[in-house]
Amino acid sequence: LAKTTQPISMDSYEGQEVNITCSHNNIATNDYITWYQQFPSQGPRFIIQGYKTKVTNEVASLFIPADRKSSTLSLPRVSLSDTAVYYCLRGGSYIPTFGRGTSLIVHP
Amino acid sequence: DTGVSQDPRHKITKRGQNVTFRCDPISEHNRLYWYRQTLGQGPEFLTYFQNEAQLEKSRLLSDRFSAERPKGSFSTLEIQRTEQGDSAMYLCASSPEAFFGQGTRLTVV
Repeated sequence: LAKTTQPISMDSYEGQEVNITCSHNNIATNDYITWYQQFPSQGPRFIIQGYKTKVTNEVASLFIPADRKSSTLSLPRVSLSDTAVYYCLRGGSYIPTFGRGTSLIVHP
Repeated sequence: DTGVSQDPRHKITKRGQNVTFRCDPISEHNRLYWYRQTLGQGPEFLTYFQNEAQLEKSRLLSDRFSAERPKGSFSTLEIQRTEQGDSAMYLCASSPEAFFGQGTRLTVV
């Protein structure tokens, strides 16, 4: 199973930028990095996906360095509604494999 | 609205009863996944369909669990002789890009 390592929890405040780092030392050449967000009692929601360098969409940015052994999800100016669990997945395979994720709590 | 529909949203059943959940994926998606999630854990893979073919099953899928996807459209997940340890959120997703449904919360009492 594809393995990634990310912090179990993080705290932030409204309006701050949050960066969540994920380690994936054994990433394969054809693996993409995908991030999901999950609110309580809901299914995970796709946020962003990338292969290398930087990807940006209306929700977040994803930074992947040249060696691709880690990646950073960046959430600009978080609000209380960004409180959720964030999962980092690696894989070019067809079965998304989740770890425990990072529980982000945004404080007023 | 992700487009993946699961029914029911909640199910309470007595231990030993059988339960069946339904998932309607996004219509053009040919891959369908079932996951199980317990409190504080990430979703755990159970099984995967490519169209109507069940291509992979996790060790978590004991012989009390069975999944079908007739005609490659909707899918059902049945749990026979439920146990308290089966209490969890059961999630369905469809792909290419994995879109998840809202899940079915099962409580076995």
